[in-house]
Amino acid sequence: AQSVSQHNHHVILSEAASLELGCNYSYGGTVNLFWYVQYPGQHLQLLLKYFSGDPLVKGIKGFEAEFIKSKFSFNLRKPSVQWSDTAEYFCAVNAFKAAGNKLTFGGGTRVLVKP
Amino acid sequence: NAGVTQTPKFQVLKTGQSMTLQCAQDMNHEYMSWYRQDPGMGLRLIHYSVGAGITDQGEVPNGYNVSRSTTEDFPLRLLSAAPSQTSVYFCASRQDSRDTQYFGPGTRLTVL
Repeated sequence: AQSVSQHNHHVILSEAASLELGCNYSYGGTVNLFWYVQYPGQHLQLLLKYFSGDPLVKGIKGFEAEFIKSKFSFNLRKPSVQWSDTAEYFCAVNAFKAAGNKLTFGGGTRVLVKP
Repeated sequence: NAGVTQTPKFQVLKTGQSMTLQCAQDMNHEYMSWYRQDPGMGLRLIHYSVGAGITDQGEVPNGYNVSRSTTEDFPLRLLSAAPSQTSVYFCASRQDSRDTQYFGPGTRLTVL
């Protein structure tokens, strides 16, 4: 069965620091990859997604992610965070066909940005 | 468009009671899913559907039933509630496997 791993459960950093959140998945076939964000008290929203083409994907609010197929990874980055980036971030993978087109989420990473 | 709606927003049950969490979407999406969110465990897929009349199990289906008689509705039934089912439940929909998944506002369920 496919699985999604997010290595950091909690990240604390100061404003203007750079952020990188790791995501690895286990499925070997064709995948679509997503990062979602959940701000305090809100439901999940899409940050960015990758289907094919350029493995460096740019999303909203200055976030980007790089798909490295050989490493089964889809890490999220932001060069300079703001206090408003405090949220929980989820990586998700949709694996095709044999895996039933299920969208599977990682365990999430809570990010706290100190002002 | 209302998007994905869920009712109720909050529910308290006693062990052994049954109930149905309602989910509806007005975007004509084929795919619908139910997740539960627990601290430190992310979102775990309970059941999902890729179209009316088609459902399948996710990672944690035990204790839950679903049906998909229409494109719009995807109710989740708790057959006999247990304290381990205390969680926040999210319904979601998307048009296909490449589409953004849209989430409902969630139902916070407590089982005593």
